[in-house]
Amino acid sequence: NAGVMQNPRHLVRRRGQEARLRCSPMKGHSHVYWYRQLPEEGLKFMVYLQKENIIDESGMPKERFSAEFPKEGPSILRIQQVVRGDSAAYFCASSPPYSHEQYFGPGTRLTVT
Amino acid sequence: DQQVKQNSPSLSVQEGRISILNCDYTNSMFDYFLWYKKYPAEGPTFLISISSIKDKNEDGRFTVFLNKSAKHLSLHIVPSQPGDSAVYFCAASLGEYTGTASKLTFGTGTRLQVTL
Repeated sequence: NAGVMQNPRHLVRRRGQEARLRCSPMKGHSHVYWYRQLPEEGLKFMVYLQKENIIDESGMPKERFSAEFPKEGPSILRIQQVVRGDSAAYFCASSPPYSHEQYFGPGTRLTVT
Repeated sequence: DQQVKQNSPSLSVQEGRISILNCDYTNSMFDYFLWYKKYPAEGPTFLISISSIKDKNEDGRFTVFLNKSAKHLSLHIVPSQPGDSAVYFCAASLGEYTGTASKLTFGTGTRLQVTL
């Protein structure tokens, strides 16, 4: 059973470009979460999605960030017009329904130059 | 507002001895707690969890203790092994008894070094 998959693993963008991060949950998991880890900090929650629904986006910056989890295909975290402060590791996690145990992917390391 | 705190940024323990990692929380609504282990350039790996109705949960070398009155939990690793060297995060969530999953609130991590 494959784990949570994220791609790309590393992404370099220039200021003002768009970044798209993809996450495929574990088989049988219908809940997806995105977290961000800034250097020397813990993981901070961004958004929680189920198929075609955003359940909790209380951690998402109000501008430039969006997330989706379509009926088919991976979940996408999209960052428009990236700035240097967006440089971080972005982790996706998934869980089955009614479970508090979340399983993480390897992360996407975004570098904004 | 740091609702989950790990006050020791680092800990060094000799191989074979017990490692004790501590975590405090401020939100009394948290009802489920988890520990994750993280190696550099990898995602966190789930280790062990505990519901607020319990005060102890054990899985092999790992035991988590929960003291609700003190809003404190700890992870014991015994015996410690060099492969345990990593950053350990505690995390908390809500909604255990509503049957709804929810976001995790993480501490800032403790770097454990197990020496030979």
